Amino acid sequence: DAKTTQPPSMDCAEGRAANLPCNHSTISGNEYVYWYRQIHSQGPQYIIHGLKNNETNEMASLIITEDRKSSTLILPHATLRDTAVYYCIGTGGTSYGKLTFGQGTILTVHP
Amino acid sequence: GAVVSQHPSRVICKSGTSVKIECRSLDFQATTMFWYRQFPKKSLMLMATSNEGSKATYEQGVEKDKFLINHASLTLSTLTVTSAHPEDSSFYICSARDPIRQGPRAGANVLTFGAGSRLTVL
Repeated sequence: DAKTTQPPSMDCAEGRAANLPCNHSTISGNEYVYWYRQIHSQGPQYIIHGLKNNETNEMASLIITEDRKSSTLILPHATLRDTAVYYCIGTGGTSYGKLTFGQGTILTVHP
Repeated sequence: GAVVSQHPSRVICKSGTSVKIECRSLDFQATTMFWYRQFPKKSLMLMATSNEGSKATYEQGVEKDKFLINHASLTLSTLTVTSAHPEDSSFYICSARDPIRQGPRAGANVLTFGAGSRLTVL
């Protein structure tokens, strides 16, 4: 798995976009970038993943730099319910579900 | 989407007793399930991979005789913490590969997680 680095915490105002960065400079060519989040005392929730191209789904957008050394998860209109720990994970198909969770970023959305 | 159900959500037991936690895949079959553990203010750590019809695969440092895993059917995996001690108090979370989101692009790592089971050993 690629080593990932995330800021320990971030704040965001409700209704504004939350941009969460992740550095994964050692990611290899066949490793995807996955984002999960964990709301307090719950199991993690899958958000989005990507390889090279930017991705968007109903929850978020994922912007991956051209050199793939970093990415940004964007929550376009953050709500109080988006307060959670966000994990960026770089891993390939051979890991087969064995995810290595780092410390993640604690995102606090405030009114 | 795919749902993984865990039971119980909270359990308190006395030291020396055994506790069983169930993990069920609802409306889909999971030949493989993954058990994670999370200590307070720490990140999740993979404990073991549960395989239907065969022995579980344990991560380094996890005692297989203490954490018994049984995957008796395609929808149920159980984790039994035997002779539990206070240091086993933790948040135990199971997961399975999301059958809806899998595909060549996914890299087999889109998981659906249960809500977790908080074990407190007195």
